[in-house]
Amino acid sequence: EAGVVQSPRYKIIEKKQPVAFWCNPISGHNTLYWYRQNLGQGPELLIRYENEEAVDDSQLPKDRFSAERLKGVDSTLKIQPAELGDSAVYLCASSEGAVSQYFGPGTRLTVL
Amino acid sequence: EDQVTQSPEALRLQEGESSSLNCSYTVSGLRGLFWYRQDPGKGPEFLFTLYSAGEEKEKERLKATLTKKESFLHITAPKPEDSATYLCAVQGAQKLVFGQGTRLTINP
Repeated sequence: EAGVVQSPRYKIIEKKQPVAFWCNPISGHNTLYWYRQNLGQGPELLIRYENEEAVDDSQLPKDRFSAERLKGVDSTLKIQPAELGDSAVYLCASSEGAVSQYFGPGTRLTVL
Repeated sequence: EDQVTQSPEALRLQEGESSSLNCSYTVSGLRGLFWYRQDPGKGPEFLFTLYSAGEEKEKERLKATLTKKESFLHITAPKPEDSATYLCAVQGAQKLVFGQGTRLTINP
């Protein structure tokens, strides 16, 4: 069974530029999560989707971050414009229901 | 606010030297406590879920235990391939909250 797929794996951009990350969850998983992980820290939740609905986006910096999950499958996380402090690994995870989340490999973002 | 604290931050062991990692937590309405393994450049890999105090789960050289305030990940006779960062997380009523992880190094 295929795991969570993310792309790109690495991204280097200049500050103030836009960037987008893509995630394809495990087939059949209705819940999708985006996390941000800073170096030496655990992942922190940005947004959680139940099917197409964003049910928890309280930690998403809405002035510059946006996310969508069309048709309740794939999801895209966007940052516009990116700031130096956005450099981190962005992880996507999925689950069947609200437990046992399975993570993708992440996208390492470097903002110069 | 749900909180997870892991100790130690880093642990270096010799191959075959058993030890334990600690995860202390405070949570409103525990729905599950999770252990993950994370290798450099990869996403967290699910290991165990524990739901209630007294529960234990085992997988190869790893055993996870749970009390009302903390969880332990016991590693018995570790091998170099067990080197990784081990993350603990608690699922409360709202979301999954992670600790900062313990970076484990097993020297041959």
